[in-house]
Amino acid sequence: NAGVTQTPKFQVLKTGQSMTLQCAQDMNHEYMSWYRQDPGMGLRLIHYSVGAGITDQGEVPNGYNVSRSTTEDFPLRLLSAAPSQTSVYFCASRGQGYTEAFFGQGTRLTVV
Amino acid sequence: AQSVTQPDIHITVSEGASLELRCNYSYGATPYLFWYVQSPGQGLQLLLKYFSGDTLVQGIKGFEAEFKRSQSSFNLRKPSVHWSDAAEYFCAVASASGGSYIPTFGRGTSLIVHP
Repeated sequence: NAGVTQTPKFQVLKTGQSMTLQCAQDMNHEYMSWYRQDPGMGLRLIHYSVGAGITDQGEVPNGYNVSRSTTEDFPLRLLSAAPSQTSVYFCASRGQGYTEAFFGQGTRLTVV
Repeated sequence: AQSVTQPDIHITVSEGASLELRCNYSYGATPYLFWYVQSPGQGLQLLLKYFSGDTLVQGIKGFEAEFKRSQSSFNLRKPSVHWSDAAEYFCAVASASGGSYIPTFGRGTSLIVHP
């Protein structure tokens, strides 16, 4: 099994550009989430989804959009990138009940 | 709201020495607690978790953690550290809000291992 797959691994954007970070999982997990990791800040939740068609905001949602049309995929969209969105982004999925989250390898995004 | 505090930003130990990484949480009900490890350039890997039952939990790579409700702590321990343990360690707590169990992470502790 591939687990949680994120693409791309690295990306450089210019301010104002848009892009979509892809996340796919093959474990039939209902719960998926996006985090950003910044030095000294740990992981902060951006958006999460408890199933197809259901999404909600996390701690730092501004500047990001998500949708969940299938169980497998949970893309994160940056509509107009800003330098403050320079970060490492992690996607995670979790099954039902009292289980841990499985993480992708991360996407390192730089906005110049 | 739930929160997690990892008081130590960096910890330096010699190879073969024992290790304890501290984690304190704030949450009203029984928490679900996790320790993750992140090697450079990698995602997070689960070391161990506590949901209920025995307060001393064993994890992978020789790690263990003890849940102490009276101290709101979930410290991670290893009796003898190996150079390959050098990494970033994150403590996390999850609440059952809406059944989503979305974890909140601490800021991490960077472990440096000297030969």
